[in-house]
Amino acid sequence: SQQGEEDPQALSIQEGENATMNCSYKTSINNLQWYRQNSGRGLVHLILIRSNEREKHSGRLRVTLDTSKKSSSLLITASRAADTASYFCATVPGGSYIPTFGRGTSLIVHP
Amino acid sequence: DAGITQSPRHKVTETGTPVTLRCHQTENHRYMYWYRQDPGHGLRLIHYSYGVKDTDKGEVSDGYSVSRSKTEDFLLTLESATSSQTSVYFCAITPAGGTYEQYFGPGTRLTVT
Repeated sequence: SQQGEEDPQALSIQEGENATMNCSYKTSINNLQWYRQNSGRGLVHLILIRSNEREKHSGRLRVTLDTSKKSSSLLITASRAADTASYFCATVPGGSYIPTFGRGTSLIVHP
Repeated sequence: DAGITQSPRHKVTETGTPVTLRCHQTENHRYMYWYRQDPGHGLRLIHYSYGVKDTDKGEVSDGYSVSRSKTEDFLLTLESATSSQTSVYFCAITPAGGTYEQYFGPGTRLTVT
């Protein structure tokens, strides 16, 4: 069963705008990860945030984690057409080592 | 791409036939996984391995078996393929380090007719 659920399911924006995707989960976690999947390709790991961290940055990516609300957000700033992809959150429950993936957010960035 | 290859990349097979998918990695990772990806379901874990000859079931293991006789190879077998097993199959590894992120192979698109 999916531990994390992304919202929205689909997002369409113009190049240069920011894109925000959210992930909610149900049980306590060790860490939360975000992945990108381009059409027809495997998932690519983007960023990981541990349960004791609140915010993390990597280039144009910003991830926040609110363990009290069991939610995370991924912000892509100044989006580009090349950011068009599906984005998945994955949670690693406490006491486990296997991520559980959500259904993903499909992001389309129009040039 | 963490040195992960999958073969075949595409396969069409008939209902009732056995099918074996191969995942090969070159970096001696201990943990390997098989997922299937279907529209509306995201990624679902089929089986995983935590060492040679050490495997366990995931969320959707019915109709699938796995084997790992060497560190570098993790095989997924559909004993008797059904149309519901039409999917894209991904292999993944977790490198050592304790954070448990995964690195994925390019996928195998399997169609069961």
